Amino acid sequence: QAVLTQPSSLSASPGASASLTCTLRSGINVGTYWIYWYQQKPGSPPQYLLKYKSDSDKQQGSGVPSRFSGSKDASANAGILLISGLQSEDEADYYCMMWHSSAWVFGGGTKLTVL
Amino acid sequence: QVQLVQSGAEMKKPGASVKVSCKASGYSFTSFDFNWVRQATGQGLEWMGWMDPNSGKTGYAQKFQGRITMTRDTSITTAYMELSSLRSEDTAVYYCAKNPRATGDFDDWGQGTLVTVSS
Repeated sequence: QAVLTQPSSLSASPGASASLTCTLRSGINVGTYWIYWYQQKPGSPPQYLLKYKSDSDKQQGSGVPSRFSGSKDASANAGILLISGLQSEDEADYYCMMWHSSAWVFGGGTKLTVL
Repeated sequence: QVQLVQSGAEMKKPGASVKVSCKASGYSFTSFDFNWVRQATGQGLEWMGWMDPNSGKTGYAQKFQGRITMTRDTSITTAYMELSSLRSEDTAVYYCAKNPRATGDFDDWGQGTLVTVSS
């Protein structure tokens, strides 16, 4: 079972909100970890969005709009990237990442379609 | 401004080695770590390893242990990633990224280097 699992795709309408989940493997407690989020558009390298550990331990990437925010769902053992006020430019692949067993681990990515 | 400029595309035969460079500018080279991440066409991101350019200390993903070497030349502010015993599954775009020490804020990335492994 993968360390981080993301749904492969998600669709949402312009102006709506999208909640992208990143579920940690059973036995790895999301509360303990920083969860990082990256956005990647076709043909470009990934771009760092933000990191989230708790409401008092979080940080936005430089220049990243406040429409992007992080949170956790402890009951689901998942990190969440919330994008509010969706815009067409938000259509991209989104990856979560964490440090686990002395390695950075990426989730498989979620393709967000804004239509 | 910060720039990470990678070397050009490479075509290699199975069993060969490839060395990708990442020229850094616009910041203090030894104050940030480097990480290497690869992405096969249509696939997700795969972390390969990290390097502290100040000390030269490295840490590699278990998958690449024994095949990967990360080095740097501080005199020309360039980091290198060498991967040996190439196979077709190593065909991918390879990215360098810098981050503040001991964090996952990969806040600047190179443009990527396509490595194609084919007989």
